[in-house]
Amino acid sequence: QQQVKQSPQSLIVQKGGISIINCAYENTAFDYFPWYQQFPGKGPALLIAIRPDVSEKKEGRFTISFNKSAKQFSLHIMDSQPGDSATYFCAASRRGGNKLTFGTGTQLKVEL
Amino acid sequence: AAGVIQSPRHLIKEKRETATLKCYPIPRHDTVYWYQQGPGQDPQFLISFYEKMQSDKGSIPDRFSAQQFSDYHSELNMSSLELGDSALYFCASSPDREGEQYFGPGTRLTVT
Repeated sequence: QQQVKQSPQSLIVQKGGISIINCAYENTAFDYFPWYQQFPGKGPALLIAIRPDVSEKKEGRFTISFNKSAKQFSLHIMDSQPGDSATYFCAASRRGGNKLTFGTGTQLKVEL
Repeated sequence: AAGVIQSPRHLIKEKRETATLKCYPIPRHDTVYWYQQGPGQDPQFLISFYEKMQSDKGSIPDRFSAQQFSDYHSELNMSSLELGDSALYFCASSPDREGEQYFGPGTRLTVT
């Protein structure tokens, strides 16, 4: 059973557009929500992360929106570029150094 | 900045053989995590160590074992290899049990 559900599975966005990826979780013990970017054959790279005490966090072109009551969070990539084409994973973990539980991933393609 | 180092990067083994994967965390990181990622899959947590002690265990087969040494590097030992063990194996390190996890480049294991 997938504890973190991610959508869409794949996404095509035009250059300069906004890419939006959504995740939902069930386990209310989760309190740390990172997003990772992964290129083929490479390790996941940490993009941005949020804790439930804030509803939004922005770093450059990347923004996480967090809705605690709905148990949902999303990644927005503004001004999407072809170099952003990669697989994006949301994840969640509990306080106390626990494992990351990943979503199923979204393959993003940014077209010229 | 220093990153997580994994060796070897590629490994080809035959069924029933043994493999050892090594992970060198970012300096001053005392927590290490191991993940397995099958083709087109999200990373699945295997095992973690904090201050050289096992701290959490996921869906790691009994044929696999791991440890963290006094210099904080970690090794994942895999015995009686099966075709289904073919995957990317990632190590991630963290500065503490509640910190961000930074992934290495991975070891691609192919079992023939």
